[in-house]
Amino acid sequence: AQTVTQSQPEMSVQEAETVTLSCTYDTSESDYYLFWYKQPPSRQMILVIRQEAYKQQNATENRFSVNFQKAAKSFSLKISDSQLGDAAMYFCASLANAGGTSYGKLTFGQGTILTVHP
Amino acid sequence: DTEVTQTPKHLVMGMTNKKSLKCEQHMGHRAMYWYKQKAKKPPELMFVYSYEKLSINESVPSRFSPECPNSSLLNLHLHALQPEDSALYLCATRDPRTNEKLFFGSGTQLSVL
Repeated sequence: AQTVTQSQPEMSVQEAETVTLSCTYDTSESDYYLFWYKQPPSRQMILVIRQEAYKQQNATENRFSVNFQKAAKSFSLKISDSQLGDAAMYFCASLANAGGTSYGKLTFGQGTILTVHP
Repeated sequence: DTEVTQTPKHLVMGMTNKKSLKCEQHMGHRAMYWYKQKAKKPPELMFVYSYEKLSINESVPSRFSPECPNSSLLNLHLHALQPEDSALYLCATRDPRTNEKLFFGSGTQLSVL
């Protein structure tokens, strides 16, 4: 079983500043993947960044980076140089192949609404 | 082509109607998913198909009936829905041979009157 917890229902940041969104997770699987998805008002689910649990190095995608603390089961997202277009709902999610099967089961946290102020 | 196409984008139906949602992909992904999402809530998994076989049914009411007629197509048949079933229905696909992300469609916004 997997659970994902996002403790910040809402966050705000000034344009060009940095913001960090928190996420903790729990899973009984040894092989799993972690994601941050962004969902703007259009409601299209957009992948922001992906982390394989077996990799110690933190993933980075341009202005987005993660702090992956495997022992603490923590997976936070840092957005640098925030832009107005970053305003959206952000979901942390974990994916594991359920019970040795080949398909993955993606479990979402409750989401964090990010507001960017000009 | 890395798109997951969902039709229709919007659907309004009465409680006695029968309708279907459609999801199509041509990426060769053999795992396909239906999620239900209420406003300002996370998506909730409904069904998973793996190699065209139903692998997960998350205790979804029988008024929702999934179908995977081939490796490119996923349907969700709707019958006798309730107003509380109004939500965004998201389709997603994944290649189970790699450990890639899920690719999401843009969803069908369903309103049940």
